[in-house]
Amino acid sequence: QKEVEQDPGPLSVPEGAIVSLNCTYSNSAFQYFMWYRQYSRKGPELLMYTYSSGNKEDGRFTAQVDKSSKYISLFIRDSQPSDSATYLCAMSRLRAAGNKLTFGGGTRVLVKP
Amino acid sequence: NAGVTQTPKFQVLKTGQSMTLQCAQDMNHNSMYWYRQDPGMGLRLIYYSASEGTTDKGEVPNGYNVSRLNKREFSLRLESAAPSQTSVYFCASSAASGSVGNEQFFGPGTRLTVL
Repeated sequence: QKEVEQDPGPLSVPEGAIVSLNCTYSNSAFQYFMWYRQYSRKGPELLMYTYSSGNKEDGRFTAQVDKSSKYISLFIRDSQPSDSATYLCAMSRLRAAGNKLTFGGGTRVLVKP
Repeated sequence: NAGVTQTPKFQVLKTGQSMTLQCAQDMNHNSMYWYRQDPGMGLRLIYYSASEGTTDKGEVPNGYNVSRLNKREFSLRLESAAPSQTSVYFCASSAASGSVGNEQFFGPGTRLTVL
């Protein structure tokens, strides 16, 4: 079983809907949680970064971390066709060797006009 | 700031040929990483360099070598390319100072095909 599980999708939503993405993980030592967005044929770009539990909001994006359930979420409000991409979660232990990240496999999102 | 740059963007090799993928960052980051991304496999770490002068194996190091040339540059070498190394290769860097700043920033990728 993988350390970080993420539904590959695709997740198809109409424009303006809320996109809900999530990852589950098994390693309780993970403390840092990130979401990356990757457009087709491009490199991943960092969207959100959170430390430990709680919520973080940035514009239309909200990241939630529930460490008791080992579950993280990303919500995209008022979705736009430009949000169509693959979203990868990533996480890390505190003072991990080389500060390595563990990635989920990514969820493909398609926002239809 | 250019961030993380990679060359070349595309490459086609024949089985047995060698090549070096170049990566440079201008963010004064300590740590650098090489990943490969294959359909259905996600991002897999090949090698990383936690700081200048050190390199370590990641999840899938076989068939690859790396050099941390200086703080800015981290190269990945395929000595004898195989079709199984057909993939998209990403370089990333991280400030990685103590317990903060471990988010990684990625380059645009190199698409490699081995025939």
